[in-house]
Amino acid sequence: GAGVSQSPRYKVAKRGQDVALRCDPISGHVSLFWYQQALGQGPEFLTYFQNEAQLDKSGLPSDRFFAERPEGSVSTLKIQRTQQEDSAVYLCASSEGGQKETQYFGPGTRLLVL
Amino acid sequence: QKEVEQNSGPLSVPEGAIASLNCTYSDRGSQSFFWYRQYSGKSPELIMSIYSNGDKEDGRFTAQLNKASQYVSLLIRDSQPSDSATYLCAVTDTGRRALTFGSGTRLQVQP
Repeated sequence: GAGVSQSPRYKVAKRGQDVALRCDPISGHVSLFWYQQALGQGPEFLTYFQNEAQLDKSGLPSDRFFAERPEGSVSTLKIQRTQQEDSAVYLCASSEGGQKETQYFGPGTRLLVL
Repeated sequence: QKEVEQNSGPLSVPEGAIASLNCTYSDRGSQSFFWYRQYSGKSPELIMSIYSNGDKEDGRFTAQLNKASQYVSLLIRDSQPSDSATYLCAVTDTGRRALTFGSGTRLQVQP
């Protein structure tokens, strides 16, 4: 089946703008994760959903970051009042759920804040 | 202190050689261990997963896990130029579903 999809693929925002990043997980996948990847670094965890429930948001860097998954499928990561340090690739991953779950990554959204 | 450590490289090997990539982690309770490959400008792609001590082989790839030493490695046999990429080690910490990644090791396979 289709993999994880994300949109937009690229986003340029002026500092202070709000942005919304969308993730469509693999159909039927219960778990959904958001990661942030800075240049030259490994991805860093932001938040995790199991169905519509946000079970872990310990990685969100500030209250400007907000994520939702209202119907347990598509998820949106919203960043309010963007700052230059928010420039990064935002990766979404999904998995079937279960103890030894493999996470499959989408292509990412590259965000540049000017 | 970063929880997952990798040598950033680059690790340069000739075509046909064995590439050895290493990773250490700090959480003794970690249960699941993964190697992802990431080409420049692309997203991480799963290569191997390993959950118990010992070796796990899949084609040219072998993952090795030693929980006592908190060490996981990836061997790539008969390295090809197409293996040139950044290899990310990732672990799930005790009681969490999130992956903690190392910074990655850049592998260069010279033709």
